[in-house]
Amino acid sequence: KQEVTQIPAALSVPEGENLVLNCSFTDSAIYNLQWFRQDPGKGLTSLLLIQSSQREQTSGRLNASLDKSSGRSTLYIAASQPGDSATYLCAVRAGGSQGNLIFGKGTKLSVKP
Amino acid sequence: EPEVTQTPSHQVTQMGQEVILRCVPISNHLYFYWYRQILGQKVEFLVSFYNNEISEKSEIFDDQFSVERPDGSNFTLKIRSTKLEDSAMYFCASSSSSGGALFFGEGSRLTVL
Repeated sequence: KQEVTQIPAALSVPEGENLVLNCSFTDSAIYNLQWFRQDPGKGLTSLLLIQSSQREQTSGRLNASLDKSSGRSTLYIAASQPGDSATYLCAVRAGGSQGNLIFGKGTKLSVKP
Repeated sequence: EPEVTQTPSHQVTQMGQEVILRCVPISNHLYFYWYRQILGQKVEFLVSFYNNEISEKSEIFDDQFSVERPDGSNFTLKIRSTKLEDSAMYFCASSSSSGGALFFGEGSRLTVL
């Protein structure tokens, strides 16, 4: 059974720092992996989608990498800002293109001014 | 920018009552989903829907749950007889293609008393 783990559960950094959030999954047979952002009491905002054949995806200050064989993905945030404060969720799509997303519990990021 | 919209944003109901949560997916999307998040826990898959039928459902999605696409725009989740443990944030999501990125709504918070 696929399990997704995100470490650390919480992270506090000063503004301007570069940071890395980690996601690991137990079964490497994934179709793709998606990173989301969730603000308190709000919905999930899609940040990046990486297909299983890809190694990384970039969007602005965000860069997500995928190492399928080792069951790991990282989300790199450059030059962090207080507005980046949120919970970041990693989700893998297992069971092929029509499989459902399996989520980690998230990393709660706080960027201090 | 197109978005998934959900109503109501918050519903309080008595145990045993029926609840209908409504969603309007992004207009050109074909794949629809319901997920839920119990407070402090992971986001969990409930059901996926394509071509007017359920594609996949989790073990959470028992006989008390049903989904419907009554017209060309709405996608609903019905809980026939709510239980205390159904209290959660329910998220609707849609995708334009099989295996594509999922886009989530802001959620409907259900509180069962």
